[in-house]
Amino acid sequence: GDSVTQMEGPVTLSEEAFLTINCTYTATGYPSLFWYVQYPGEGLQLLLKATKADDKGSNKGFEATYRKETTSFHLEKGSVQVSDSAVYFCALRGLTGGGNKLTFGTGTQLKVEL
Amino acid sequence: ETGVTQTPRHLVMGMTNKKSLKCEQHLGHNAMYWYKQSAKKPLELMFVYSLEERVENNSVPSRFSPECPNSSHLFLHLHTLQPEDSALYLCASSQGGTGMNTDTQYFGPGTRLTVL
Repeated sequence: GDSVTQMEGPVTLSEEAFLTINCTYTATGYPSLFWYVQYPGEGLQLLLKATKADDKGSNKGFEATYRKETTSFHLEKGSVQVSDSAVYFCALRGLTGGGNKLTFGTGTQLKVEL
Repeated sequence: ETGVTQTPRHLVMGMTNKKSLKCEQHLGHNAMYWYKQSAKKPLELMFVYSLEERVENNSVPSRFSPECPNSSHLFLHLHTLQPEDSALYLCASSQGGTGMNTDTQYFGPGTRLTVL
């Protein structure tokens, strides 16, 4: 079945550092890929998405490129801020279950310090 | 602003209580979902409704009973829960029906449930 693997956290960075959160997936066909962010005490918010190979999703300075050859969708940001502290979830939406099912990773907590 | 609201935000209940969680979406979507988020585990999809019809039930115990009276509202009725059911319950909605794997899901803030 479909699965998503994320690097374990927490990831602790200083403000203005470069961020990479790794995400790899297993799925049949060509899934759509997503990054969601969850701020403390809140639900998940869509951060960015990519629906086909080589697509780059971007939002709020975050980027991720859909790499089919390595089945990866790593999240990057060039300069993190304290306000980026949150839990980040990688997810895929495959073709199983009528296309309604999102499969999530376990989440990676990011802590950004001054 | 997510466009998906959930009430209550926090709920504490005993194992013999009956309670309900409510979700409302203001996005004109046709599909709605319940997820369970437990610590250190991936989000677990519980139920999917498309056009008010349940299309997926991921082997969820019968003590959880969903209800979708219309495309804007989704309920999760709870009875005789166990302490291990304590978790954050998230509702989501999306535009389309089945077969749309590019469809984006929008989440509510969740209900933090504690079962004593």
